[in-house]
Amino acid sequence: GDSVTQMEGPVTLSEEAFLTINCTYTATGYPSLFWYVQYPGEGLQLLLKATKADDKGSNKGFEATYRKETTSFHLEKGSVQVSDSAVYFCALMGGSYIPTFGRGTSLIVHP
Amino acid sequence: GAVVSQHPSWVICKSGTSVKIECRSLDFQATTMFWYRQFPKQSLMLMATSNEGSKATYEQGVEKDKFLINHASLTLSTLTVTSAHPEDSSFYICSALGTSGTSGTGELFFGEGSRLTVL
Repeated sequence: GDSVTQMEGPVTLSEEAFLTINCTYTATGYPSLFWYVQYPGEGLQLLLKATKADDKGSNKGFEATYRKETTSFHLEKGSVQVSDSAVYFCALMGGSYIPTFGRGTSLIVHP
Repeated sequence: GAVVSQHPSWVICKSGTSVKIECRSLDFQATTMFWYRQFPKQSLMLMATSNEGSKATYEQGVEKDKFLINHASLTLSTLTVTSAHPEDSSFYICSALGTSGTSGTGELFFGEGSRLTVL
């Protein structure tokens, strides 16, 4: 079945540091890929998405590129802020329309 | 953008009582909704898939008689935790599959979550 693997957290960075959160997936066909963000005590919000190979999703300075050859969708941001501290979930959705989530990666950004 | 509202955002109840959590899509019709339980180490566990007008499809290991899911309309799904016990204390999150986007993409919109504490 489909699966998503994310790097273990927490990831701890200083403000303005470069961020990478790795995400790889296993799926049949051509799923859509997503990153969701969850701020403390809240539900999940869509951060960005990509629907086909080589698509780049971007939002709020975050980017991720759909790499079919490496089955990856790594999340990056050039300069993180304290307000980016949250839990980030990588997810995929295939033809079944049932989403599959990674375990989440906690990001902590210090001033 | 599309909005999903979940209510209540937090609830405290006594052991043995039942608690109902509502999930509403406010500005779109959601034929499919999902219920998740989130454990302390952040992982999301899919409990069930709810399709409007039909019985929910439960994931393996989820007790359907304990977690009653009803999706009676295109904008409302409810999760009832029956005879709640302290081990049912958790953060429950609903999501609704939107109707925007091209075929194969889907958009998943999440509620704010409901924190259940069973004493």
